[in-house]
Amino acid sequence: GEDVEQSLFLSVREGDSSVINCTYTDSSSTYLYWYKQEPGAGLQLLTYIFSNMDMKQDQRLTVLLNKKDKHLSLRIADTQTGDSAIYFCAEYTGGFKTIFGAGTRLFVKA
Amino acid sequence: EPEVTQTPSHQVTQMGQEVILRCVPISNHLYFYWYRQILGQKVEFLVSFYNNEISEKSEIFDDQFSVERPDGSNFTLKIRSTKLEDSAMYFCASRAPAGGQDEQFFGPGTRLTVL
Repeated sequence: GEDVEQSLFLSVREGDSSVINCTYTDSSSTYLYWYKQEPGAGLQLLTYIFSNMDMKQDQRLTVLLNKKDKHLSLRIADTQTGDSAIYFCAEYTGGFKTIFGAGTRLFVKA
Repeated sequence: EPEVTQTPSHQVTQMGQEVILRCVPISNHLYFYWYRQILGQKVEFLVSFYNNEISEKSEIFDDQFSVERPDGSNFTLKIRSTKLEDSAMYFCASRAPAGGQDEQFFGPGTRLTVL
């Protein structure tokens, strides 16, 4: 069945890079997303990558996709305290739904 | 920039009561969705809706739930007889037709608290 797995916690120091990893099972995924959720807030789309791409860079964010291993990562350069949030990996298969991972809680220490 | 809106932002209800959560999708979008997030857990798909009918629903979406697009702009989720375990954040999302930008846009969510 469809499933998306993420590690639950990541702690980094301010200024360091953060790397959040995700694996997914559905090889027919067309889009893979990263969403950010701050406490009590909704889902903010950070970035996404098409399944035929290997990498996408958007300012401090770099997404790497290894389609063979069904592995997706999000790198945040120069992590700031304002980056502290839950980051959700999600896959969209072009059907009628998006499957979310459980979310990785990022703690940024000043 | 167009956005999905949801009302109310927070709804408190007594167990057994009916609630209706409202969403206004982006105006030219044709696919509509409801997702649920129980506190501290992952976002779960509930239902998708296209061409005035349900396209897919999860096992969470039982007979207590229904969706409707009553007037061409609103998209509603009704829970007929709420249970304590229905307490969650409910997110609406919409998507443009195929050939357009193929991403789901999420609303800010409605926090439902069942007492």
